[in-house]
Amino acid sequence: SQQGEEDPQALSIQEGENATMNCSYKTSINNLQWYRQNSGRGLVHLILIRSNEREKHSGRLRVTLDTSKKSSSLLITASRAADTASYFCATENSGNTPLVFGKGTRLSVIA
Amino acid sequence: EAGVAQSPRYKIIEKRQSVAFWCNPISGHATLYWYQQILGQGPKLLIQFQNNGVVDDSQLPKDRFSAERLKGVDSTLKIQPAKLEDSAVYLCASSQWLAGVRGYTFGSGTRLTVV
Repeated sequence: SQQGEEDPQALSIQEGENATMNCSYKTSINNLQWYRQNSGRGLVHLILIRSNEREKHSGRLRVTLDTSKKSSSLLITASRAADTASYFCATENSGNTPLVFGKGTRLSVIA
Repeated sequence: EAGVAQSPRYKIIEKRQSVAFWCNPISGHATLYWYQQILGQGPKLLIQFQNNGVVDDSQLPKDRFSAERLKGVDSTLKIQPAKLEDSAVYLCASSQWLAGVRGYTFGSGTRLTVV
């Protein structure tokens, strides 16, 4: 079963704009992770936020987590054409349970 | 550090045929996962191994899918017989604990087309 639901399903923006993707999940979590997947490729880990954290930054990425609303957002600032990919949130309920993925957001950055 | 290796990269088979996928995880990673990703969807866990033991195979269609990790390193996933709805990318991942967090590495996947 899939834990998360990303919103929007697809997003198209101009290069230089910011892209915001949202993720909602259903059960309590240990941490939430965001992954990127280029077409036909494997998943690349972007950033992890623990359940006791509210915000985290990594380069042009900013992730927020609201455990009371069971939601997270991923912000990519100053987007580039190379950011074009699908983005997935994944939750880990405990240290021994596997990642459970959402359905993903397809981001297209137009040069 | 070498990544998670998977082969083949692509496979096209007819329905009712058999197929096998191979995965070599990162050295030292005790936990290995197989995920199925249907086009347009997120990955769905099929099976999780801890060394050579199965931890979770609750979502593995056991009437046609099987997986093994005999020596606690490489793993194979088999489908017999394949159905059209098995067309998907099969992703292998391995993980290890690092600084109190489980770090995952995914392979590039095997894209299966059943015709």
